[in-house]
Amino acid sequence: AQSVTQPDIHITVSEGASLELRCNYSYGATPYLFWYVQSPGQGLQLLLKYFSGDTLVQGIKGFEAEFKRSQSSFNLRKPSVHWSDAAEYFCAVVPSNTGKLIFGQGTTLQVKP
Amino acid sequence: EPEVTQTPSHQVTQMGQEVILRCVPISNHLYFYWYRQILGQKVEFLVSFYNNEISEKSEIFDDQFSVERPDGSNFTLKIRSTKLEDSAMYFCASAGTGLLPYEQYFGPGTRLTVT
Repeated sequence: AQSVTQPDIHITVSEGASLELRCNYSYGATPYLFWYVQSPGQGLQLLLKYFSGDTLVQGIKGFEAEFKRSQSSFNLRKPSVHWSDAAEYFCAVVPSNTGKLIFGQGTTLQVKP
Repeated sequence: EPEVTQTPSHQVTQMGQEVILRCVPISNHLYFYWYRQILGQKVEFLVSFYNNEISEKSEIFDDQFSVERPDGSNFTLKIRSTKLEDSAMYFCASAGTGLLPYEQYFGPGTRLTVT
């Protein structure tokens, strides 16, 4: 069955430090991959997506993610974290043509001043 | 910037009651979705809707659930007889002006509390 794993449930980084959130997926073909962010009390905002082509994709708010087929991974990165980045981050996969999203468990990011 | 809206933001209901959660998708989108997130758990797909019919549904989406697009703007999720375990945040999403339905935009959610 298709699945998405985010190994880190909670991550704390200092403001200005770099960030990498991990995501692994289990799917036979190359799926469509997404990262969403959820701030407290807010809905899910799309950060970036990968459909095909260049495996390094740029998103909003200075985030980027790299698709690595050999590792079935789609890790999210940011070179310098801001306090406003504190939120929950979800990796997601679309395995079917109806667009159904399968989400990972989420990673909560805390930013220390 | 166009956005998905949902009402109400919080709904409290008693077990066994019917609830209707409302969503206004982005106006030119063609694909519509409901997801839910039980507190502390992952976001789960419930149902997708395209061309006025359900295109896919999860095992969660049993006979107690139904969806409707009653007019050109609203998309509703009805739970016929709520259970305690239906307490969750329900998200509506919409996508797709063309071939790709995959870039989904989410509403802020409705928190449903069943007592």
